[in-house]
Amino acid sequence: DADVTQTPRNRITKTGKRIMLECSQTKGHDRMYWYRQDPGLGLRLIYYSFDVKDINKGEISDGYSVSRQAQAKFSLSLESAIPNQTALYFCATSDWVSNQPQHFGDGTRLSIL
Amino acid sequence: AQKITQTQPGMFVQEKEAVTLDCTYDTSDQSYGLFWYKQPSSGEMIFLIYQGSYDEQNATEGRYSLNFQKARKSANLVISASQLGDSAMYFCAMRELIQGAQKLVFGQGTRLTINP
Repeated sequence: DADVTQTPRNRITKTGKRIMLECSQTKGHDRMYWYRQDPGLGLRLIYYSFDVKDINKGEISDGYSVSRQAQAKFSLSLESAIPNQTALYFCATSDWVSNQPQHFGDGTRLSIL
Repeated sequence: AQKITQTQPGMFVQEKEAVTLDCTYDTSDQSYGLFWYKQPSSGEMIFLIYQGSYDEQNATEGRYSLNFQKARKSANLVISASQLGDSAMYFCAMRELIQGAQKLVFGQGTRLTINP
C-alpha cells in the first residue's frame, strides 16, 4: 500500500463546480503539503501544514482552500473551479528532519472544462 | 528569494553512457539542502538524492551522484551507465526551512531520453 494516497487519481469537471482532493498518509509525518504542476513546469507550493492547528499559504494559494482533518489527512478544495486550475496536483509529507526528502503521492490529474 | 535553474529542457543520451543534468541555484541562506526527483511518464515523483550545504562529501546513491560545487552554486546530477528506464523528467529542488517545515522550490525540469 502507498504511504501517501491521493484520491481521486483523475477528475474531469466543469467550470464553477466545487472540488475536493483528498490526501491521506501512513508515514506518521506531521508536515503535509499540496503542490500544483503545470505542463512543462516544476511543482509550485499551494498550502502547507505543520499539524492540525497550523496551516499556511504557499506561493499560489489564491482560489484554493485546505483542511487538515487529522494528522494523517489533508484535503485541498477548489470552491469554484476555473479552467486555468487544470493541472496535476500532488500531496506530500515530511518529518521535522531537514535532510529527509518529502514523500509524494501519485498525483491527481484535474481537468476543468 | 530562492531560485532553481535547470537550463537543459531536453537531453538525449545513448544507453550505457553517463549523463549530467545541470542545476544552478540562488540563495542567501547559509544552510540549505538540494534534492533531485525523477518523474516518469506515469507522473509520480521519486526521490533520488540529497545534498546538504554543509556536507563535505558529494552525495552518492547507487548510479546517482551529485556534483556539488558550492562556490559556483551548482548541484548537477550525474547518472552513470544510463538505462532505458532512466527516461523521465528530472527536477532539482531547493529546501527552505520555514519554522521546521520544508518548503521546496523546484526548477523547471529536464526531460531525459535514453536511446537504445
